[in-house]
Parts: sequence; C-alpha cells; structure tokens
Amino acid sequence: EVQLVESGGGLIQPGGSLRLSCAASGFIVSSNYMSWVRQAPGKGLEWVSIIYSDGSTYYADSVKGRFFISRDNSRNMLYLQMNSLRAEDTAVYYCARAIRGYSYVFDYWGQGTLVTVSS
Amino acid sequence: DIVMTQSPLSLPVTPGEPASISCRSSQSLVYTHGNSYLNWYLQKPGQSPQLLIYLGSNRASGVPDRFSGSGSGTDFTLKISRVEAEDVGVYYCMQALQTPVTFGQGTRLEIK
Repeated sequence: EVQLVESGGGLIQPGGSLRLSCAASGFIVSSNYMSWVRQAPGKGLEWVSIIYSDGSTYYADSVKGRFFISRDNSRNMLYLQMNSLRAEDTAVYYCARAIRGYSYVFDYWGQGTLVTVSS
Repeated sequence: DIVMTQSPLSLPVTPGEPASISCRSSQSLVYTHGNSYLNWYLQKPGQSPQLLIYLGSNRASGVPDRFSGSGSGTDFTLKISRVEAEDVGVYYCMQALQTPVTFGQGTRLEIK
C-alpha cells in the first residue's frame, strides 16, 4: 500500500530554517516524480517544487533560491529544506507522488505538516 | 504563469441532483496527441486533496463513475451526475501543462 507521511513542521521565526521530511512506503521514491504542494490557512493549493527521477529539480518563483528539494534513496525519503522563511510561507505542506509518466498528476498525497512562520 | 479560473466558487446542491463546475485556463492546455493537461482534485473537509480526473477526462482509480470531466483547449467542466453527501468539499482544477503548475481558486460544494 502506498503511503506518504510528512513530518518536521512547526513554529519558526522569520528568517529561520526548517527541513520537512516525507517518508514513503509501498513504492520507490527515486523511480517517481515527487512534488511538494502547500496550502496557506483557509486558502487554495500552491505547487512548490518537483524532483524528477533523474534528479532534476524545479521550483515555484516564490521559493526559488530559498527552498531545496532532495531525496535519500537509501531511506526512501523526500525532503524540503526551507531557508529564509517568511510569514507568507505559513502553510500546510503536502508531499505528493505523480502517476508514472505524468509529472503533475498527483495520485497520492500525504496528510500534510503545518509550518507556521511567526515571531 | 497560466491562470486558472473556476466558477462558481460556491455550489449548494440537493442530494441526487447533478452539479457542474467550470474551469477556464488563460492559455490552451492541449499538448501531445490532443490530450489536455487538466486535472481535477477534491479536498474533503479536514483531508488531503485526492485525484478525481486527469488529462481532462480520465477518471482516477477508484473514482465513482458519477464524476466525469470534459473540455479541451481552455474550457473544462467537471460534472457530478447525482451528488451524494460524501461529495462535499472543495474542488480544484489544475493545469499540468507548464511549470509552475497552477490551481484554480477552488469551488466549495455543499449539500442543501
């Protein structure tokens, strides 16, 4: 059974850093396209970043240069390193798997982890 | 970036009645073999989003056949043939043609 479990969220001051983790089971992270999608409180969905099976990465302009997506193949984990955090980064962060062959058809989502950026 | 616009934003529906949600993109989402790179997701209250429809009209695994997607180019529609209580939540369309992928504002379906 495919499962995605995020962790690492919490309260962080503006300018701080946080690393989110996504533990995957039931499939191999490195063989799939994996994304992070976020949702600010009471708002809609916003795509954040993707890592392809070949390791290439892309980012939304709003996080480019501050956030970095990576994976650990040996642990079957996905990560999002978030630096220089701002109040507008406050959101629930979801990791999502894409259907094989389609970069952005997200067939499995985690339950999300809440990041709150506030002093 | 491609802008996605949904309507209506709120949709009260009587159980057993049909429902329809419109999604318009700021540019054509048609790509290879005539496929439209448009997905529909449902976020039920307190839950993560779930995939309903991909490539405009393909139902995801396990999605009831009362859900259907149609459209091409810049205009798309999600239809529910007979709404059930479990269909409440926020429906999002999402363009998957171009990075960054972008979502519509969401349509909140509620039961009358």
